[in-house]
Amino acid sequence: ETGVTQSPTHLIKTRGQQVTLRCSSQSGHNTVSWYQQALGQGPQFIFQYYREEENGRGNFPPRFSGLQFPNYSSELNVNALELDDSALYLCASSPVVGSRYEQYFGPGTRLTVT
Amino acid sequence: ILNVEQSPQSLHVQEGDSTNFTCSFPSSNFYALHWYRWETAKSPEALFVMTLNGDEKKKGRISATLNTKEGYSYLYIKGSQPEDSATYLCAFMGGGNTDKLIFGTGTRLQVFP
Repeated sequence: ETGVTQSPTHLIKTRGQQVTLRCSSQSGHNTVSWYQQALGQGPQFIFQYYREEENGRGNFPPRFSGLQFPNYSSELNVNALELDDSALYLCASSPVVGSRYEQYFGPGTRLTVT
Repeated sequence: ILNVEQSPQSLHVQEGDSTNFTCSFPSSNFYALHWYRWETAKSPEALFVMTLNGDEKKKGRISATLNTKEGYSYLYIKGSQPEDSATYLCAFMGGGNTDKLIFGTGTRLQVFP
């Protein structure tokens, strides 16, 4: 059973640019959630994907978008980057949507916007 | 706005000390309460998922209790070891068909030999 992986580990972008972050879910998990952890805060829910459809969204603007692929890997895309987007981005997979199962987290991608 | 609070923010203890942390969360629309352990430069790792009022769960020297009526959970570590040093996060899950977790800001534990 492979764990959740994320790429890249670190990324530096300039304000106004676009970025794509990638996540490979735990084997057999069809649900993936993305979280943003800004400095000094707990992770904040961005959105969840289930069977390639968005299945719930947190308080993030539309320039945060995502994709989930048939193999359950996923992407987080952020357009028009702002300085406040600098954060650690975590993805988490779970085996059944809307359940009480634990979520399996990746190690995160550290995004710095200058 | 749903709020999850954790205290203390940080804790420094000596090896062998026992310690406990608090997580408070909304008492309405409760579905589950998660505890995660997060070591620096690693992935957050699930410790417990607690669902029933009065739940008590244990994993080795770590245990947790849950009170959904008053909206709090305690995490206990007995005989802390340096390898217990990590940030401990709790996360509230409300009812609904998403797995949205609302996290606290965590308790950072450092155990000194």
